[in-house]
This record gives sequence, structure tokens and C-alpha cells, in this order.
Amino acid sequence: AQKITQTQPGMFVQEKEAVTLDCTYDTSDQSYGLFWYKQPSSGEMIFLIYQGSYDEQNATEGRYSLNFQKARKSANLVISASQLGDSAMYFCAMRGFQKLVFGTGTRLLVSP
Amino acid sequence: DSGVTQTPKHLITATGQRVTLRCSPRSGDLSVYWYQQSLDQGLQFLIHYYNGEERAKGNILERFSAQQFPDLHSELNLSSLELGDSALYFCASSDETSGGLSDEQFFGPGTRLTVL
Repeated sequence: AQKITQTQPGMFVQEKEAVTLDCTYDTSDQSYGLFWYKQPSSGEMIFLIYQGSYDEQNATEGRYSLNFQKARKSANLVISASQLGDSAMYFCAMRGFQKLVFGTGTRLLVSP
Repeated sequence: DSGVTQTPKHLITATGQRVTLRCSPRSGDLSVYWYQQSLDQGLQFLIHYYNGEERAKGNILERFSAQQFPDLHSELNLSSLELGDSALYFCASSDETSGGLSDEQFFGPGTRLTVL
């Protein structure tokens, strides 16, 4: 079975600072995919970034980067230069057989 | 805008009733996934269809059923509704062209179901 753990229920960061959202995972699969999604208060799920288990480089997408440490089974999301619009719930997810398994999420609040 | 549409946006109904949620995937996507997001259970996978065929089932109750039609839209039917079925129901679609692991799932805006 696959499991995603997000231990930070909430995080605060000031505008323009960087923040790291933690994600650890558990799987017996050799090949897997890791995703981060953002869910603003409006409710939609927005894809942010993807990391494959065999990717040697950490994924980056604009201000988002994924700190992938395979041996530690962690896939932390780093948001650089936080903006007010980054305030939202953030979900880490793992692609297993035919489905995504989600963590419980971290609520990020960005203050001016 | 992900390109995935869901109707209705909001649905309020009573216990014991039956409702149908509709999803249209992105143009060209053959896969449709249904997820339920509730306060106590978080985001849970319900069911996956690919090109009209059921591919995988998750934590879907027997009172719930789904299908995918030839035009690839999908419907999730919820019957004998209970208070605990109140949740945000998401549909996601994917083209599954890269073999699965990296295939991004594009989520619709969700249908918020309230059972009174």
C-alpha cells in the first residue's frame, strides 16, 4: 500500500521569503511518481510539479522546486519568493496503480 | 482552467435521495478519475474509467456507481444519500500517453454536495 504523510497542518511565511512544505512517502514500488497540487479557497486542484522516482535531477517549475531525497523517501516542495496568492492548501500525492494517493495537506498562509 | 468541466457546481439534497454528478474530460483524454474530498476522510480515490471501461476501484461505497459514456463524459451516481456523503467530488482526466506514472491528472472545479 502507498502512503503519503504531510506532518505540517499549517505553515506561515512572510511575503518574498522561501518556504518548504514537507512530504514523506511509503511505497514498495520501484517506479512511482510524486506530485504536488495547490488548492486555493475556491476549491479547484491545481497541478504544480511532478517528480519521477528515477529522475536524477530535482524537478523545478518556476518558483516551485521539489527537494527529492529518495533514500529518505521525502519529496518536499520549496516555494521561493512567496506571494500573497500562494496562500492555499498544498497536497502531496503519489501516483500508484491507476490512482493518486494524497496526503492530508498543509495550509500555507503568506503574510504581507 | 484545466479543461475539465463538472456539473452542477453545487448540489443540496436530502437524506435518502439520489443524485448524478457529471464530468466532461479534457478534449482527447480517455481516462476519468473520481475523487471525494471530505473533512474527515481527506481526498480519497473512488473509481477510474478508461475509454468506457472501469479500470480500478478505490473507497467507493456500494451505494455509489459510475459510468463513462462513448463520448467519454462520465457520471457518478450517488444513491440513498447520508449526511456523511456531504463532500466535494472531483473529477480528473488524463491522457495516459506516457504509460501512467508521470501522467498528470487535470482536475475539474468539483461538485460540492450537501446532504441535509
